[in-house]
Amino acid sequence: NAGVMQNPRHLVRRRGQEARLRCSPMKGHSHVYWYRQLPEEGLKFMVYLQKENIIDESGMPKERFSAEFPKEGPSILRIQQVVRGDSAAYFCASSLGRDQPQHFGDGTRLSIL
Amino acid sequence: SQQGEEDPQALSIQEGENATMNCSYKTSINNLQWYRQNSGRGLVHLILIRSNEREKHSGRLRVTLDTSKKSSSLLITASRAADTASYFCATDAFGGYKLSFGAGTTVTVRA
Repeated sequence: NAGVMQNPRHLVRRRGQEARLRCSPMKGHSHVYWYRQLPEEGLKFMVYLQKENIIDESGMPKERFSAEFPKEGPSILRIQQVVRGDSAAYFCASSLGRDQPQHFGDGTRLSIL
Repeated sequence: SQQGEEDPQALSIQEGENATMNCSYKTSINNLQWYRQNSGRGLVHLILIRSNEREKHSGRLRVTLDTSKKSSSLLITASRAADTASYFCATDAFGGYKLSFGAGTTVTVRA
């Protein structure tokens, strides 16, 4: 299966801990996007990365959240000192180009205790 | 506020019937996409329609786009139980990559 792979599928953290979410794009895709989905809502754009570069992080909270897409390895979304409000499903998508269809992974469901 | 908003919020139909849902958006777009999301899963890309297109077909799916009314519709013909899912429209008004999603239409197909 050459789809977008996200892990873990479920992640439970206590308040104050760090959460690291991983995303491996589809083969050949160098454009990666992260979205957040709250219950009963649509996805909200967080950040757009293209190998080693952050192109647009306008949807990402300024504090505690960071993203990277290194030359080798998956893209990582890191949330430091998590709070209850960070509980959500986080989806990663990848595309061949910035105006090409985005293909989504199955998401990571983050629960904060 | 959300760029794309789907209507209705929920739809329940009998297997074999057609399902129609609509999407309205606020600003000019380059293209509009429809996605399906099964419970607990990611989004599956269904169809992309560009701003210079008026209608597009893919299997049992038919999408229309009316840029003058800033609206789109998704028609699923001869529905099946497997079509039960949430359907989202996404627009790219902000530069081609920053998709803006509505809250979706939840479709239930009864056997």
